[in-house]
This record gives sequence, structure tokens and C-alpha cells, in this order.
Amino acid sequence: AQTVTQSQPEMSVQEAETVTLSCTYDTSESDYYLFWYKQPPSRQMILVIRQEAYKQQNATENRFSVNFQKAAKSFSLKISDSQLGDAAMYFCAYRTRGVSGTYKYIFGTGTRLKVLA
Amino acid sequence: DAGVTQSPTHLIKTRGQQVTLRCSPKSGHDTVSWYQQALGQGPQFIFQYYEEEERQRGNFPDRFSGHQFPNYSSELNVNALLLGDSALYLCASSFQIAGLSSYEQYFGPGTRLTVT
Repeated sequence: AQTVTQSQPEMSVQEAETVTLSCTYDTSESDYYLFWYKQPPSRQMILVIRQEAYKQQNATENRFSVNFQKAAKSFSLKISDSQLGDAAMYFCAYRTRGVSGTYKYIFGTGTRLKVLA
Repeated sequence: DAGVTQSPTHLIKTRGQQVTLRCSPKSGHDTVSWYQQALGQGPQFIFQYYEEEERQRGNFPDRFSGHQFPNYSSELNVNALLLGDSALYLCASSFQIAGLSSYEQYFGPGTRLTVT
């Protein structure tokens, strides 16, 4: 069974600085997707970035980028120029193929990011 | 374009009671997944509905059941509520094209269920 591990329960970063959130996963599949979701206090889960396992190039979305190490099964999120609005819970998620061709998502336990002014 | 909507926002129930939560998917989406998120934890997959059938199920007891309607909206039912069922229940929608799932899920704001 696939698992997702986030070993940092909480991280802090100074406004305008850079922070990296860690995620490791375990799987025997070769084709899969990885995601980072943000959940602010409003509870709405928002997709931050996704990575296709077959792509060697790391995904980038504005200030957000990932370091995808497939062999090491590592998928970290880097937030550059941190802003106060980045403060939230961040969840790493793995999409696994289920029966009937559909998919389900396995989430890590989350990392709470605090941004200090 | 309305996103994923859920109702109610908050709900308080007593042990042993039954509860129904509702979800309307994002416009154009036909697949609905339900997650339970306990306080301080990541979402746990409950089940997924597509074409009005349960397609996948996570490790949840039969007390958790669901339904999908022809308009793609969905309900989550929980019977014989336990204190441990207190959580945020999230609904997420996606779509299928030619047997392939979209890689993104869009989440609703969730329903906070408190069991006393």
C-alpha cells in the first residue's frame, strides 16, 4: 500500500525568505502523480502544484517549486519570497490508481507553515 | 462558475444518531470523492462515486454509505454515530473523459461534524 510521510509538523519562515517543506512516499507503482495542497484556516483545500512521475523536470508555479527525486521517493515543496498569505497547513498527496480506472488520493499528515512578519 | 459546494457547514449530533451530508460538484465534473479529516490530520479517503455507483472505498466501516444522483451531486450518510466520527468531512470532485480521470480534484469547504 502507498504511504505519504511529512516529517515536519510545523515550520516557520520570515516574510520574503524561502522555506522548504519535506515529503516522502512509498509506492511500487511507476506512473503516478504527486500534489501539494494548501489548507488555510478557512478549511478550503487548494491545489498548489502537481508533478507527474514520468516527467523529470521539476514543476514550478510562480513562487512555488518542487524538488522531485523519484529514486529517493522524495517530493519537497519550496516557497520563495514567502508572504503572510502563505501561512496554512500544507499537505502532500499521492494519487493512486484504484479499481474501475478511477483514482484515490493519499494524504500526508500535513505541515503547518507560519510566516513571521 | 460555482465550485464544489457542501451543506451544512456545521452539524452537531448525538451518539447513535444518523447524519446526511451533501455535496454538489463543480460544474462539468461527474466524479465525487468523500474524505474524513480528523483534527490535526490529513484527509482520509472514504469512498468515490461515479455514474451513480461506488467505485472505490477506503478503510471505513459499513456505517458510512453514500449515494450519487443523476445530476452528479452526492450524499454521505453515517449511521450509529460515534464520538470518533467527529471530523471535517470534505467532498472533492473531478471528471472522467474516455475512461481517464482528470488529475485534479477540486475540494469543497467541508462540513464540520461534532458528535456529543
